[in-house]
Amino acid sequence: AQTVTQSQPEMSVQEAETVTLSCTYDTSESDYYLFWYKQPPSRQMILVIRQEAYKQQNATENRFSVNFQKAAKSFSLKISDSQLGDAAMYFCAYRSFTGTASKLTFGTGTRLQVTL
Amino acid sequence: GAVVSQHPSWVICKSGTSVKIECRSLDFQATTMFWYRQFPKQSLMLMATSNEGSKATYEQGVEKDKFLINHASLTLSTLTVTSAHPEDSSFYICSARALYNSPLHFGNGTRLTVT
Repeated sequence: AQTVTQSQPEMSVQEAETVTLSCTYDTSESDYYLFWYKQPPSRQMILVIRQEAYKQQNATENRFSVNFQKAAKSFSLKISDSQLGDAAMYFCAYRSFTGTASKLTFGTGTRLQVTL
Repeated sequence: GAVVSQHPSWVICKSGTSVKIECRSLDFQATTMFWYRQFPKQSLMLMATSNEGSKATYEQGVEKDKFLINHASLTLSTLTVTSAHPEDSSFYICSARALYNSPLHFGNGTRLTVT
């Protein structure tokens, strides 16, 4: 079974600064998807960024980018120019590329605080 | 974009009663829906996978007779918590996707409190 580990329960960043959230995973599969989701106080799950394992290029979405190291099974999220609205729980998630269920496995989450 | 509506957003029920939570895909047909449970300050734990027209697949440790899932149409899945107890109090979230590799869309969640 796949596991996703987020070793940072809480992180803090000043507004306009950059922060990196860590995520490692364990799998025996070669093809899969990795995601970062944001859960603000409203509890709505919001997709931040997605990475296909077969792509070597790191995904980027505006101020959000990932550092995907397949061999090391590492998938960190970098948030640049942090904004107050970035404060939330961030979950790293894994999804198999094959299989009929293709369910998401979530990490334990990192609570990000953004300070003035 | 695709929207998943979950209802109710919060519910309080007495111990021993049953409560039904609905998850609707508003602008797409959801072949698969997932039900998650989230305890305070914890991650989302998958409870079951629901495919339209077939029985739900439950994760290990989830009581299928207690958490009844029905996915009778391509736009609606329901989770019924039967004979609820205080330990069932939690935040329940559904997600839905149209096709196998389609993005997952999440509902806003339902906070269940059993007194």
